[in-house]
Amino acid sequence: AQKITQTQPGMFVQEKEAVTLDCTYDTSDPSYGLFWYKQPSSGEMIFLIYQGSYDQQNATEGRYSLNFQKARKSANLVISASQLGDSAMYFCAMPTGANSKLTFGKGITLSVRP
Amino acid sequence: NAGVMQNPRHLVRRRGQEARLRCSPMKGHSHVYWYRQLPEEGLKFMVYLQKENIIDESGMPKERFSAEFPKEGPSILRIQQVVRGDSAAYFCASSPPRTPPTNEKLFFGSGTQLSVL
Repeated sequence: AQKITQTQPGMFVQEKEAVTLDCTYDTSDPSYGLFWYKQPSSGEMIFLIYQGSYDQQNATEGRYSLNFQKARKSANLVISASQLGDSAMYFCAMPTGANSKLTFGKGITLSVRP
Repeated sequence: NAGVMQNPRHLVRRRGQEARLRCSPMKGHSHVYWYRQLPEEGLKFMVYLQKENIIDESGMPKERFSAEFPKEGPSILRIQQVVRGDSAAYFCASSPPRTPPTNEKLFFGSGTQLSVL
């Protein structure tokens, strides 16, 4: 079964600085993918970025990029030039089985300081 | 194009009452997933439905919980005889039809916060 681990305590970053949020995973599937979602205090889940295990290059979406290291089974999210609006919970997730249901990590709280 | 719509946004019930949570998927989407989020936790999968069919209910509690996605109308998550432990945020997500299923991102609603008094 898939397992997602997010163990960082609450993270703090200065506005305009870059920050890395850690995610490690465990799976026996030869082909898999990893998602990152953002959950602001208002509660909705916002898709940020996706990386497939066979993608040749690390995924990038605007200020978000994935530092994907298969050998270490890690898929860390890098947010460049942090903004106050980036303050939120961030979840790493992986599809499980044939039905694309997602297994989520416990999340990391990010606070951006002005 | 409206996103995934969930209502109500907040629902308060007393112990023993029934809770009905509604989810209208995005236009053109025929796959619906329900997830539950307890405080300080990530989302946990509950059930996956297609129109008129329950495909995977491996995450549903065995009693008091049921889900449906009729041919017409929204998907409904129903919790009978609620208890305090049912207090959580319930999220619905939808995806378009695809065969076979792929690693396609799910579009989430804003969730329903259920509080049981």
